[in-house]
Amino acid sequence: SQTIHQWPATLVQPVGSPLSLECTVEGTSNPNLYWYRQAAGRGLQLLFYSIGIGQISSEVPQNLSASRPQDRQFILSSKKLLLSDSGFYLCAFPPGGYGELFFGEGSRLTVL
Amino acid sequence: DAKTTQPPSMDCAEGRAANLPCNHSTISGNEYVYWYRQIHSQGPQYIIHGLKNNETNEMASLIITEDRKSSTLILPHATLRDTAVYYCIVRVAFYNQGGKLIFGQGTELSVKP
Repeated sequence: SQTIHQWPATLVQPVGSPLSLECTVEGTSNPNLYWYRQAAGRGLQLLFYSIGIGQISSEVPQNLSASRPQDRQFILSSKKLLLSDSGFYLCAFPPGGYGELFFGEGSRLTVL
Repeated sequence: DAKTTQPPSMDCAEGRAANLPCNHSTISGNEYVYWYRQIHSQGPQYIIHGLKNNETNEMASLIITEDRKSSTLILPHATLRDTAVYYCIVRVAFYNQGGKLIFGQGTELSVKP
């Protein structure tokens, strides 16, 4: 069966510190992968998507970057976190249907 | 992708049907209507989607008007666990290429005992 996992689930980091959030999918090969962010009280915003290893597209200019070192691994990073980077980060992939997305459990980041 | 309009909030009594409306007056012929919901502190959950025919699955029914300019998501017997934010999204669908979804503010449904 297809599964998606994110970690860590919760993270509290000081301003200026680095960040690494990891997403791994199982039960599928060469999936499209997506990073979304949800700031407090707001809707979801697409940050990055990837159609294959080493292929990253950025949807919005920001302090974050993404990488896809392996087929089923998607990493969200930052060298120096800002207060505005706080939010709920979600990884997602399409399980093979017509446009529906399957989301991970999410990683809640608080930057202090 | 076409823009959607949803009421910001709705209430529903437990056990009754919850009818969530969505307007998408600029929808194109090849765009599908998708519904997701997000329970607090969790990732969004896919509910249902359709093109022009009404659709039903184990979670809900989707009623799309004949002119496709609006739709209604129906939860036939709402429970307290259905309390969530419901998102209506319109987009072109390609097999196995979903993902670039534009989420609006959605409708916050509160199911009350």
